[in-house]
Amino acid sequence: KAGVTQTPRYLIKTRGQQVTLSCSPISGHRSVSWYQQTPGQGLQFLFEYFSETQRNKGNFPGRFSGRQFSNSRSEMNVSTLELGDSALYLCASSLARDRGDSNQPQHFGDGTRLSIL
Amino acid sequence: DAKTTQPPSMDCAEGRAANLPCNHSTISGNEYVYWYRQIHSQGPQYIIHGLKNNETNEMASLIITEDRKSSTLILPHATLRDTAVYYCIVRVGGGGGADGLTFGKGTHLIIQP
Repeated sequence: KAGVTQTPRYLIKTRGQQVTLSCSPISGHRSVSWYQQTPGQGLQFLFEYFSETQRNKGNFPGRFSGRQFSNSRSEMNVSTLELGDSALYLCASSLARDRGDSNQPQHFGDGTRLSIL
Repeated sequence: DAKTTQPPSMDCAEGRAANLPCNHSTISGNEYVYWYRQIHSQGPQYIIHGLKNNETNEMASLIITEDRKSSTLILPHATLRDTAVYYCIVRVGGGGGADGLTFGKGTHLIIQP
């Protein structure tokens, strides 16, 4: 069974540009979450989608957005890139339907490493 | 979600059992203990989770104390490939949906040859 696939693996952008990252979840998983990982802040939750709806959002500015398609694939977009947006962006999928779905852990992809020049 | 405390680093000899502790003294009755690890340049990998009973799978064993205030992840025969940062996370439900996982700083486990 294929794991979570994220594309591209590496990306270099300049300040002010925008970027779109893609995530294909494990087949059958309908919950997709996004995280940002930096050396200073560690792993931080961005947002979670289920059935094309954003169910929860972390503490990030509105420049960070996402969406989910009917096939559960997800994209996240960052507009007006800043130097501080340089990070590893991780996507995770899960069979969980809600927070009380007790036996459905998240499974992560290997991320997209975004560098801002 | 309950806060967890882990040692920042540990060493273990290759072939020996690696025992990684985690304190979660404020855990609630409906909160599970999850373990993930992250090998350099890869995404976090799910290892195991449990509520109050000890659990074992092909990767590891999870021992939860009777009062559920602490737990230990056991890698029975550590190899060099087990060198990674190990995260103990306590939360309601399966770690999916809703708020997302809260990762602390974890334990950097170094397996020595």
